[in-house]
Amino acid sequence: ETGVTQSPTHLIKTRGQQVTLRCSSQSGHNTVSWYQQALGQGPQFIFQYYREEENGRGNFPPRFSGLQFPNYSSELNVNALELDDSALYLCASSFSQGGEQFFGPGTRLTVL
Amino acid sequence: DQQVKQNSPSLSVQEGRISILNCDYTNSMFDYFLWYKKYPAEGPTFLISISSIKDKNEDGRFTVFLNKSAKHLSLHIVPSQPGDSAVYFCAATRRTISSNTGKLIFGQGTTLQVKP
Repeated sequence: ETGVTQSPTHLIKTRGQQVTLRCSSQSGHNTVSWYQQALGQGPQFIFQYYREEENGRGNFPPRFSGLQFPNYSSELNVNALELDDSALYLCASSFSQGGEQFFGPGTRLTVL
Repeated sequence: DQQVKQNSPSLSVQEGRISILNCDYTNSMFDYFLWYKKYPAEGPTFLISISSIKDKNEDGRFTVFLNKSAKHLSLHIVPSQPGDSAVYFCAATRRTISSNTGKLIFGQGTTLQVKP
């Protein structure tokens, strides 16, 4: 059974650019949640996708958007990058919206 | 508004002794609590959880205690082992709502170092 995978591992962007992060959910999981973990902080919920639709959103601006595909993999898109967007972005998949979440290793984004 | 707080950024204990990690929360609507362990370059891994209808849950060397009146939970690791050295996050959620997303609210984390 393959766990949750994320790509890329590391990414460096400049302010104002756009970025796309990718997540492959664990086999059999239909729900993906995204979290942002700033340095020295715990992960913060960005949003969740269930069966290709957004299903709950945290306190993040609209420039954070996402997609979920028919195979339940997901993308996180961030437009107009700001320095404060530098963080570890974690993806978690689960069997259902409220199910136990299994996390991927994360993508480390640095915005210069 | 930090709804889940871990006030100790770090903890150091000797191998074989007990490690106690603490967590406080402010939202009385939380009904399910979890502890995750995180190693560098890896995602958080689920460790143990507790429902608000219980005050204790054990799994091997790990025990979680919940004090609802104090809005406080703690994780006890006995005996501590060097391999337990990691960052520990407590998290809370509301499971008993129809629109449940399983959204987890995390604390800031406590770095545990277990010395041989």
